[in-house]
Amino acid sequence: SQQGEEDPQALSIQEGENATMNCSYKTSINNLQWYRQNSGRGLVHLILIRSNEREKHSGRLRVTLDTSKKSSSLLITASRAADTASYFCATQLNSGNTPLVFGKGTRLSVIA
Amino acid sequence: KAGVTQTPRYLIKTRGQQVTLSCSPISGHRSVSWYQQTPGQGLQFLFEYFSETQRNKGNFPGRFSGRQFSNSRSEMNVSTLELGDSALYLCASSSPTSLLAGGDNEQFFGPGTRLTVL
Repeated sequence: SQQGEEDPQALSIQEGENATMNCSYKTSINNLQWYRQNSGRGLVHLILIRSNEREKHSGRLRVTLDTSKKSSSLLITASRAADTASYFCATQLNSGNTPLVFGKGTRLSVIA
Repeated sequence: KAGVTQTPRYLIKTRGQQVTLSCSPISGHRSVSWYQQTPGQGLQFLFEYFSETQRNKGNFPGRFSGRQFSNSRSEMNVSTLELGDSALYLCASSSPTSLLAGGDNEQFFGPGTRLTVL
């Protein structure tokens, strides 16, 4: 069963706009990760945020984590057509070798 | 370093047949995980192997099995294929350092094998 649920399921924006995707989860976590998947291909790791962190940045990406609300958001600033992809959040419940549990993803379309 | 590779990339089988998929992890990575991705169920964890031992297992029937070799390469097998097994099968490897240190399980994914069951 999915631990994380992304919202919205699909998002369409113009190039240059910001895109915000949200992820909610059900149980306490060790960390939350965001991945990107281009159509029908493998996933690429974007960013990881630990349960004791509130915000992280990587280039045009900004991730926040609110453990009290069990939610995270991924912000992509100044979006480009190349950002068109599906974005997944994944939670790791405990540290070490526990598997990741993925949500169903948000499909982002950036229109040039 | 070369990335995770999966073979074959595409496969067409008929119901009742069996299939074997192969995954070569990033050099030095000893953990290999397998996922099934379908439009309806999303990404679901199948199993994870570390040092030739299955360490974690998802909620899939026994028709789904896997193994890992001493060079960390992994195979998964699906027997008695059903139409519902049509999916993208993704393999991912993880760095042993972070896992053994009780760290974060960042996964590096291969391009996947697209299996179609007719």
